[in-house]
Amino acid sequence: EVQLVESGGDVVQPGGSLRLSCVASGFSFDDYTMHWVRQVPGKGLEWVALISWDGGSTYYGDSVKGRFTISRDNSRHSLSLQMNSLRIEDSALYYCAQEGPDDAFDIWGQGTMVTVSS
Amino acid sequence: QSVLTQPPSVSGAPGQRVTISCTGSSSNIGAGYDVHWYQQLPGTAPKLLIFGYNNRPSGVPDRFSGSKSGTSASLAITGLQAEDEADYYCQSYDTSLSTSYVFGTGTKVTVL
Repeated sequence: EVQLVESGGDVVQPGGSLRLSCVASGFSFDDYTMHWVRQVPGKGLEWVALISWDGGSTYYGDSVKGRFTISRDNSRHSLSLQMNSLRIEDSALYYCAQEGPDDAFDIWGQGTMVTVSS
Repeated sequence: QSVLTQPPSVSGAPGQRVTISCTGSSSNIGAGYDVHWYQQLPGTAPKLLIFGYNNRPSGVPDRFSGSKSGTSASLAITGLQAEDEADYYCQSYDTSLSTSYVFGTGTKVTVL
């Protein structure tokens, strides 16, 4: 079964750090560009970051640039998002997603919740 | 501050046809970038519904179709069913921002 499973979400204070993980199964993980997308509960979707199949290229949304770092370990079929200098507005459900050959987000995980609060 | 604008809500009776618009600009849809559509059922992750304007992944009913005209795209649902009640998002690529992947504002479809 094709699957993405996120973990690592937690409650953290403003200015704190958190590392999210996403483990893939059921497909050739190292063939695909991977993304993080977030969603404040009850609100819309916001693209966060992407990493190319080999990790050689990374791109970030303006709201997280310089604070978040996306990485991957193809040997472990895993994707990570290191989040530093967290802000209250970073509170959201974070999804990892696979970008398919059609450039759409073909596969999504179930999400992991990050709450930034004092 | 999404660059793709959708109506907040649309509704229809079972069996009816509803459409959802996704209005962009010359830096995204108008520039020829693909538009994809996602369905998000309550309490679940988004699911790819339409890719590349009007292509359906395996398993998506042909009641769902997409189209594009100029700087806008549309999703049509024909033969509306109760199970179609969900949030729908368009998505494309934008060259005017350093944030390159953009989502629409989202539309809640209600089946009356």
